[in-house]
Amino acid sequence: GENVEQHPSTLSVQEGDSAVIKCTYSDSASNYFPWYKQELGKRPQLIIDIRSNVGEKKDQRIAVTLNKTAKHFSLHITETQPEDSAVYFCAARIFGNEKLTFGTGTRLTIIP
Amino acid sequence: DAGVTQSPTHLIKTRGQQVTLRCSPKSGHDTVSWYQQALGQGPQFIFQYYEEEERQRGNFPDRFSGHQYPNYSSELNVNALLLGDSALYLCASSLAQGGPYNEQFFGPGTRLTVL
Repeated sequence: GENVEQHPSTLSVQEGDSAVIKCTYSDSASNYFPWYKQELGKRPQLIIDIRSNVGEKKDQRIAVTLNKTAKHFSLHITETQPEDSAVYFCAARIFGNEKLTFGTGTRLTIIP
Repeated sequence: DAGVTQSPTHLIKTRGQQVTLRCSPKSGHDTVSWYQQALGQGPQFIFQYYEEEERQRGNFPDRFSGHQYPNYSSELNVNALLLGDSALYLCASSLAQGGPYNEQFFGPGTRLTVL
């Protein structure tokens, strides 16, 4: 089955700096890669996703890149703000399969 | 437009007991997936229900079972509870006809503690 690895497990950045979280996946049949943000005690919320036929997608301060050859994808947050502090999860889904396979999460802390 | 709702919010059980968790999907959605999120871990897929049937199952024992009702709401049942079943149980809903890239919307979860 699919396996998703996520790094780093914790990340602290100064407010205004950029943060990058990286994930790798194992199954080349994966074609959908969402990123979720989970604040303490709250539900995971989709912040951005990318499909396998796209190399990069951007939404304001958030961007995701996908390298299908290397089987890795990354989340980039620019101009970080205190409200960006949360746990971020990457996930992958194999085409035709319903289940999302999640990474282990990255706890991002923005230092004011 | 109500999002995904789950009940109860918190639950405390003892080993060997049975528990039922409930989920109402987002309006217009017909598919419900259940995930288990242990502390400090990512969600793990338990199973998915569509048209009142289990459509796909993750690597969980038969102690975990579910049901979907005609109104698309769903239940997760866990029998013979173990300490290791303590976790946040998340329900996610989606639309089957949403295509291969359809988004799953998560509920707030039920925090289950097994003593």
